[in-house]
Amino acid sequence: AQKITQTQPGMFVQEKEAVTLDCTYDTSDPSYGLFWYKQPSSGEMIFLIYQGSYDQQNATEGRYSLNFQKARKSANLVISASQLGDSAMYFCAMREVSNFGNEKLTFGTGTRLTIIP
Amino acid sequence: DSGVTQTPKHLITATGQRVTLRCSPRSGDLSVYWYQQSLDQGLQFLIQYYNGEERAKGNILERFSAQQFPDLHSELNLSSLELGDSALYFCASSPWDSYGYTFGSGTRLTVV
Repeated sequence: AQKITQTQPGMFVQEKEAVTLDCTYDTSDPSYGLFWYKQPSSGEMIFLIYQGSYDQQNATEGRYSLNFQKARKSANLVISASQLGDSAMYFCAMREVSNFGNEKLTFGTGTRLTIIP
Repeated sequence: DSGVTQTPKHLITATGQRVTLRCSPRSGDLSVYWYQQSLDQGLQFLIQYYNGEERAKGNILERFSAQQFPDLHSELNLSSLELGDSALYFCASSPWDSYGYTFGSGTRLTVV
């Protein structure tokens, strides 16, 4: 069974600083995908970034980058130049796909990020 | 607007009752997924439908059922509701064989 671990329940970061949110995963599947989602207080799930297990380069999307270390089974999210609007809950998730087209996302417990002005 | 529409946004009901949550996927997406987010269980996968057929099942209770209709919208039925069923229920959709999941804004269910 797949498992996602986020060890930081909460983080406080000064505005404009970079922040790294940790995520480790466990799977025996050679093909998988890793996601980061942002959930603000309003509740919606906002897609941030995706990394496929076979992708050679780390994914980047604007201020977001994913530090993918396959051997260590880690997929940390890096947010550069943090902004007040980055305050939210952040979830790491892993995509599991079977040969029959069954698929699901397994989520970690999340990290609550608070940006301090 | 993400393109995935969930109704209603909020629902308050009493224990023992039955409710139906509705989801319209993004145009062209054939797969629909349901997730439950509660304080004690976190975000959990419930069920996946692909083009009308059930494909994968997660931690979905027997009191819960779902279906996907020919127009691809999906409904999640929750019956004999208990206080512990209070949660935020998300629907997500994706095209076939793609990681492009799009989540709806969720239905917040409160059971009193």
